[in-house]
Amino acid sequence: GAVVSQHPSRVICKSGTSVKIECRSLDFQATTMFWYRQFPKQSLMLMATSNEGSKATYEQGVEKDKFLINHASLTLSTLTVTSAHPEDSSFYICSASSRKRRTVGNQPQHFGDGTRLSIL
Amino acid sequence: QQQVKQSPQSLIVQKGGISIINCAYENTAFDYFPWYQQFPGKGPALLIAIRPDVSEKKEGRFTISFNKSAKQFSLHIMDSQPGDSATYFCAASPRGTSGSRLTFGEGTQLTVNP
Repeated sequence: GAVVSQHPSRVICKSGTSVKIECRSLDFQATTMFWYRQFPKQSLMLMATSNEGSKATYEQGVEKDKFLINHASLTLSTLTVTSAHPEDSSFYICSASSRKRRTVGNQPQHFGDGTRLSIL
Repeated sequence: QQQVKQSPQSLIVQKGGISIINCAYENTAFDYFPWYQQFPGKGPALLIAIRPDVSEKKEGRFTISFNKSAKQFSLHIMDSQPGDSATYFCAASPRGTSGSRLTFGEGTQLTVNP
């Protein structure tokens, strides 16, 4: 099955630090990648959608200068939390899907195992 | 109109019982309905998905029932096992040829007692 690798799995750092999270599709080409944020016992909240080679599309209320997303290749997307503060502490999850030619309909999203970010 | 309503919020079932989780949606543009299973500290894993051209899909112990006219769909877990204890999310997305954004339900925390 499709595998999405997310790294690191856990980060603890001081306030003001910038943190980069990587999301890789290991066995397929991810034309679209999504970044989510999840608070304890809550659902996933979509932060942004990125297509390879294009600028990311951010959801309303998500600061694009705060959460920098790069999708430079078909297998890698990165999320950088700039100048992180304690309120940015959360569980960040990426997902990836591919586009199949001559196939109508949605391709499933495959999720990474998330990154637990703790800002002290 | 983008919401997906999921119930119950939590569910406790005895081993061997049937777990039933329900979802309802409003947006008639939705045409792909996956269910995800999430264990603590892990990302969601795709469990089973259905499109509105069928009313039921079964994969092992997991079955999705879909009612297009009522705009409702549900997940049935037969012979529930303690290992099924997890949070389950329904989701929906509109038709698209590439990855389309998913709208998630609020989640159901399932506990299967031994």
